Amino acid sequence: GAGVSQSPSNKVTEKGKDVELRCDPISGHTALYWYRQSLGQGLEFLIYFQGNSAPDKSGLPSDRFSAERTGGSVSTLTIQRTQQEDSAVYLCASSSSGGASRGTQYFGPGTRLTVL
Amino acid sequence: GESVGLHLPTLSVQEGDNSIINCAYSNSASDYFIWYKQESGKGPQFIIDIRSNMDKRQGQRVTVLLNKTVKHLSLQIAATQPGDSAVYFCAETIGGDYKLSFGAGTTVTVRA
Repeated sequence: GAGVSQSPSNKVTEKGKDVELRCDPISGHTALYWYRQSLGQGLEFLIYFQGNSAPDKSGLPSDRFSAERTGGSVSTLTIQRTQQEDSAVYLCASSSSGGASRGTQYFGPGTRLTVL
Repeated sequence: GESVGLHLPTLSVQEGDNSIINCAYSNSASDYFIWYKQESGKGPQFIIDIRSNMDKRQGQRVTVLLNKTVKHLSLQIAATQPGDSAVYFCAETIGGDYKLSFGAGTTVTVRA
């Protein structure tokens, strides 16, 4: 079956530009997560969706970051006025139910963002 | 603050030998742990998980051990194969929380 997909796989942008990253979760998965992985580092939690609602946005690094989810499926992570420190791999995961211990999180391949 | 860390950033293993990857966690309230494998250019792949009411769990060629007394987690890979070369992350969560806290990872290289 299809796994989590993300697009684009790579994105190079200039400092100050806005970018949108897309995530298509596994069909039927109600929970969706965004993480950020900097070079050589572990994953940093950004935001969690249950359905179309985001109960926890506390991981978003600044107000330049926002995310939405529509139809309980596709999610978009938007970064406004990108900065060089935003360069990282942005990973999306989904699970069949909310809560890490109730549903294994399955990850997509990530979007590698490079801000010049 | 709480963190999940790994003892060694790199591990080189001879093909066919057993691998042991270690992870230390600092939050005694953590009750669910997961090991992920990440190959180059790919997202993390679930390997095995364990809840805090267990001290050992086995999968196919993998075993996870949990020692809550010293807050230590390990992943054992039997008969390591070239395809096992990857970065391995342990992750923890508390009370069914959706947030996974990841360590920095251990890079495993399998020598032929």
